[in-house]
Amino acid sequence: DQQVKQNSPSLSVQEGRISILNCDYTNSMFDYFLWYKKYPAEGPTFLISISSIKDKNEDGRFTVFLNKSAKHLSLHIVPSQPGDSAVYFCAASAREYGNKLVFGAGTILRVKS
Amino acid sequence: KAGVTQTPRYLIKTRGQQVTLSCSPISGHRSVSWYQQTPGQGLQFLFEYFSETQRNKGNFPGRFSGRQFSNSRSEMNVSTLELGDSALYLCASSSSQRAGETQYFGPGTRLLVL
Repeated sequence: DQQVKQNSPSLSVQEGRISILNCDYTNSMFDYFLWYKKYPAEGPTFLISISSIKDKNEDGRFTVFLNKSAKHLSLHIVPSQPGDSAVYFCAASAREYGNKLVFGAGTILRVKS
Repeated sequence: KAGVTQTPRYLIKTRGQQVTLSCSPISGHRSVSWYQQTPGQGLQFLFEYFSETQRNKGNFPGRFSGRQFSNSRSEMNVSTLELGDSALYLCASSSSQRAGETQYFGPGTRLLVL
């Protein structure tokens, strides 16, 4: 039962352009969403989060958009840099589940210079 | 502040053995969660500890267990290892047990079961 889905296994973007990574969820109880970046054989690094009471959160080059009615969120990276090349995971949590994070399968982002 | 640390970083075991992994959370963080990452199943939640009590548990067999000490350090134990237990085991800490608190991950322990 995949409650969090990242339907694009990979994405390739030119340096300087915008990267848009998408995530869909099915559980309406989720009320907090996070994006993590991960390199092979390392732990995920927290990027940005958003609460369900907001529809946008911005931190430097990273912006997360949440569309609750569509149960969809996206991460925008502008401008994309070669160092952004990694696997990006979307994760969700619900107050009822405490600190349990439910992760998507991840999207491999390649930024070409 | 130092980040989340995990030891050992790499481990090779044989089927039937048991293993103990250790996690030290960020100073001041009282919640520790464990996750398993495999190519087939992705990142899966194992369990969470807060103030030495297991608060939440994922869908893993009883061979997977854990505990938390008074200093918030946590250990995870897997008994009777199976080949399918080969994975990257990740520990994450946060300041509280409430949803909405960002979890910070350690580098992981890579376990290979032969």
